[in-house]
Amino acid sequence: GAGVSQSPSNKVTEKGKDVELRCDPISGHTALYWYRQRLGQGLEFLIYFQGNSAPDKSGLPSDRFSAERTGESVSTLTIQRTQQEDSAVYLCASSWSGANTGELFFGEGSRLTVL
Amino acid sequence: DQQVKQNSPSLSVQEGRISILNCDYTNSMFDYFLWYKKYPAEGPTFLISISSIKDKNEDGRFTVFLNKSAKHLSLHIVPSQPGDSAVYFCAASANTGNQFYFGTGTSLTVIP
Repeated sequence: GAGVSQSPSNKVTEKGKDVELRCDPISGHTALYWYRQRLGQGLEFLIYFQGNSAPDKSGLPSDRFSAERTGESVSTLTIQRTQQEDSAVYLCASSWSGANTGELFFGEGSRLTVL
Repeated sequence: DQQVKQNSPSLSVQEGRISILNCDYTNSMFDYFLWYKKYPAEGPTFLISISSIKDKNEDGRFTVFLNKSAKHLSLHIVPSQPGDSAVYFCAASANTGNQFYFGTGTSLTVIP
């Protein structure tokens, strides 16, 4: 499809396990963002990729969280040793360029539940 | 530290009337603002934006107003339709940064 694709759509895991979430951005979009939305809260910025520049990791909540992006394509968000407070919807978004110049196109999100 | 705030978690409006959703921000460096609409189990979708050089932007039934001195923006939907029922997020960004900062959202219900 032409939109941002995320997988899995739902993931239930046990506390302490690692999880990997995947995002396929819109072709040609150089900027890619990961956000998360915990229950009853707004969208919380996690990480930003722009082309081949060093990513902005300032929103990652702990060193258990990491993300990679291959060029201007797929990105994976990895959460190690998951905790119950990691339960949230993880949203990926892409855009033609970075902030202040256009809108973000969001995927449908990956709902993570940590038991 | 919530830099973008939506103080009304929910709003109910009769079909055909005006819906007004409000958003406040604290960072004076923000110069680009957006509204997103989100249906359950879907990602947010872009609705309308405004640059700080303007105080109003209109797109069909949707108008965004920006009051820079008050650090306040609002989204007006008129006339409201049942299909407008969704969660609306306000977002802001600064030319100097990478992030879009989002509010906590306002759930709008348009009653037929």
